[in-house]
Amino acid sequence: EAGVTQFPSHSVIEKGQTVTLRCDPISGHDNLYWYRRVMGKEIKFLLHFVKESKQDESGMPNNRFLAERTGGTYSTLKVQPAELEDSGVYFCASSQDPSGRFETQYFGPGTRLLVL
Amino acid sequence: GDSVTQMEGPVTLSEEAFLTINCTYTATGYPSLFWYVQYPGEGLQLLLKATKADDKGSNKGFEATYRKETTSFHLEKGSVQVSDSAVYFCALRGAGKLIFGQGTTLQVKP
Repeated sequence: EAGVTQFPSHSVIEKGQTVTLRCDPISGHDNLYWYRRVMGKEIKFLLHFVKESKQDESGMPNNRFLAERTGGTYSTLKVQPAELEDSGVYFCASSQDPSGRFETQYFGPGTRLLVL
Repeated sequence: GDSVTQMEGPVTLSEEAFLTINCTYTATGYPSLFWYVQYPGEGLQLLLKATKADDKGSNKGFEATYRKETTSFHLEKGSVQVSDSAVYFCALRGAGKLIFGQGTTLQVKP
């Protein structure tokens, strides 16, 4: 079974440009999460999809960030326009069912974003 | 709000040394607790978890016990190997999302 995949693995862009990150969850997983680790600090939650619906987007830093999950399969996270403080590692995770306490989230390898 | 605090790194040990990485949490209710590990060049992997007080999670020689009285979930291994070099993250599950500590880098030298 394929794991969570993310593309690209690395991205270097200039301030003001746009970048789109993609996440493909494990097949059959309705729940998809985005997290971010900035400057070696803690990994922080960004948002949670259940199928194509945004269940919780309380962690989205500002309106420069737009996440979509059309059709409830893969998800994209767009940053427009990118700022220096957006640099970091963006992780995607998926899980089958968040309703129970024993749900395990499976993470992808992350996308390393550097904004110059 | 809920939070997780880990001991700061980096931690450098010789092979076969004993490892402890401290983790304490603040949460309402009784969250599930996790340790994730990120090996160089790879994504986050679940190392172990515990879902209620006094539960012990274990995997690959690592152990952690859910201590409600001290709100702790310290990670231990009796004899580390070079291949254990990685970044270790303590986390709790609150309202669906995971809340992580800042991560502890472990370097094991031969």
